[in-house]
Amino acid sequence: EAGVTQSPTHLIKTRGQQATLRCSPISGHTSVYWYQQALGLGLQFLLWYDEGEERNRGNFPPRFSGRQFPNYSSELNVNALELEDSALYLCASSFTAASRNEKLFFGSGTQLSVL
Amino acid sequence: KQEVTQIPAALSVPEGENLVLNCSFTDSAIYNLQWFRQDPGKGLTSLLLIQSSQREQTSGRLNASLDKSSGRSTLYIAASQPGDSATYLCAVNTGGFKTIFGAGTRLFVKA
Repeated sequence: EAGVTQSPTHLIKTRGQQATLRCSPISGHTSVYWYQQALGLGLQFLLWYDEGEERNRGNFPPRFSGRQFPNYSSELNVNALELEDSALYLCASSFTAASRNEKLFFGSGTQLSVL
Repeated sequence: KQEVTQIPAALSVPEGENLVLNCSFTDSAIYNLQWFRQDPGKGLTSLLLIQSSQREQTSGRLNASLDKSSGRSTLYIAASQPGDSATYLCAVNTGGFKTIFGAGTRLFVKA
């Protein structure tokens, strides 16, 4: 069974451009989470999608947005890129959001570099 | 506000040594606690998940314990190997999307 897949693996953009990152959850998982991991910092929660809806977002500006498609895959868009957006972006999925026994399964991440 | 702290931030041990990584959290109202491993520039690999009603979980050379009342969890690694070198993260699930991560402990096992 395939795990969480993310694409692209690496993405290089210049300041002011837009970046689109993609994530496919494990088959059967309906919840998708996005995290940002900047160099030397911990994982910061970005967005949570469940059943096609944005359920919550972390403390990030509106230029960070996304969506979840009917097949539960997800897209993260970052507009007007800034240098400090350079980070590893990790996507995770879980079967549901509410169960006490839900494990988070992570993809390998997209390394975004803003020049 | 839930805060998760991991001590030590970094640890270097010789191969074969048993070691303990620590994780503490400020709010005992948790659903579960999960330990992850992260290799440099890579995603996270789930190691163990302990439900709030459980005291410990074991997988191979790994044993994780949970003491909710004191807000602590430990990850015990037996007979460490160079391949165990990685950053170990603990994450506390307080319900729904609210999984709060510690900053991690960077482990280096010397051959």
